[in-house]
Amino acid sequence: DTGVSQDPRHKITKRGQNVTFRCDPISEHNRLYWYRQTLGQGPEFLTYFQNEAQLEKSRLLSDRFSAERPKGSFSTLEIQRTEQGDSAMYLCASSLDTSVYGYTFGSGTRLTVV
Amino acid sequence: AQSVTQPDIHITVSEGASLELRCNYSYGATPYLFWYVQSPGQGLQLLLKYFSGDTLVQGIKGFEAEFKRSQSSFNLRKPSVHWSDAAEYFCAVGARKGGSEKLVFGKGTKLTVNP
Repeated sequence: DTGVSQDPRHKITKRGQNVTFRCDPISEHNRLYWYRQTLGQGPEFLTYFQNEAQLEKSRLLSDRFSAERPKGSFSTLEIQRTEQGDSAMYLCASSLDTSVYGYTFGSGTRLTVV
Repeated sequence: AQSVTQPDIHITVSEGASLELRCNYSYGATPYLFWYVQSPGQGLQLLLKYFSGDTLVQGIKGFEAEFKRSQSSFNLRKPSVHWSDAAEYFCAVGARKGGSEKLVFGKGTKLTVNP
């Protein structure tokens, strides 16, 4: 069990650029979640995968955001045409059964849009 | 839809003192409840969870929490705080099976520990 890995840890980008983040969940976990956390707030749900299927998306996930989980393993979160309001910590979590075990979180990707 | 309120934004305690962090939830049925801790610049670590059964649950690092259905609360406690407990603490609520898989988090309580 190597935990949930996120890459990169930090990303600074200019407004209008596209960025992509990667998350590698714990290998046996079939559930994968993306959350966004801004300063002084708790994590806010973005989207959820069970295996390769994206089963739930938040209204926060505008059409500039897209997430994939090909083959039910790692996941990517892409933000197109970044805006300053996208600056946040993007957290990935995985789970075998959320109701029983809760999530295991990665260390997050800190995005700064300048 | 579920929601969580953590009334205290910031709490300061002295090392060795007892601690209680408050959490109130809103959910139409008996929820799943979690407490997570986050150190600066890091992800969240699970402290403990309530699923069913005994309403007093024990977690890691000497923390415990009590589920009180009548008060819709799930307060986190520790009898003696250590300087290393300084961090931000988040309460979260999840729906029962058949509901949404997402967890809804409170805004967090930042804990400062004075020597």
